[in-house]
Amino acid sequence: AQSVTQLGSHVSVSEGALVLLRCNYSSSVPPYLFWYVQYPNQGLQLLLKYTSAATLVKGINGFEAEFKKSETSFHLTKPSAHMSDAAEYFCAVSDRNNFNKFYFGSGTKLNVKP
Amino acid sequence: DADVTQTPRNRITKTGKRIMLECSQTKGHDRMYWYRQDPGLGLRLIYYSFDVKDINKGEISDGYSVSRQAQAKFSLSLESAIPNQTALYFCATSEPTRDTQYFGPGTRLTVL
Repeated sequence: AQSVTQLGSHVSVSEGALVLLRCNYSSSVPPYLFWYVQYPNQGLQLLLKYTSAATLVKGINGFEAEFKKSETSFHLTKPSAHMSDAAEYFCAVSDRNNFNKFYFGSGTKLNVKP
Repeated sequence: DADVTQTPRNRITKTGKRIMLECSQTKGHDRMYWYRQDPGLGLRLIYYSFDVKDINKGEISDGYSVSRQAQAKFSLSLESAIPNQTALYFCATSEPTRDTQYFGPGTRLTVL
């Protein structure tokens, strides 16, 4: 079975600073990879996804993520944090051979300080 | 209007009561899912359905049942609610290419 590990349940950055949220997956076959964002009292919204095209994926709101097969990682970055980025972020994988199942990480809450 | 809607948005109930959470979608997707979210655990899959006649258990289906009344409707039931079912419940749908899920706004359920 797939599994997803997000390092750091809480990350705090200053406004304008680099955002780096870590995600590692375990799979013998590179899966499809996703980042979702959850704003307070809302459902999950897709930020970006990797489905075997370019390894550097650009998403909404200035976020991007790079798929690194050798490191089994799919870290999320944003060069300059904005107050509106404060939310919880979830990394997820789906099995290429079993699209019906998604596996979510435990989430990382991003706090942006003024 | 939202593509995936969930009712109710909040519910407080007592131990032993039967509860139904409803999900409707206008995206025309065949696949629908129910997840629960607990702090520090992320989302865990309860049940999923590929179409009206195809329903499958997820990783934490015990204590839950589902009904796919139509392509657009997928309901989750707790036959006899217990306090550790207190959580945030999300419905999701999957697009035809099956590589993205679209989530409803969630139902916050509290079992006293």
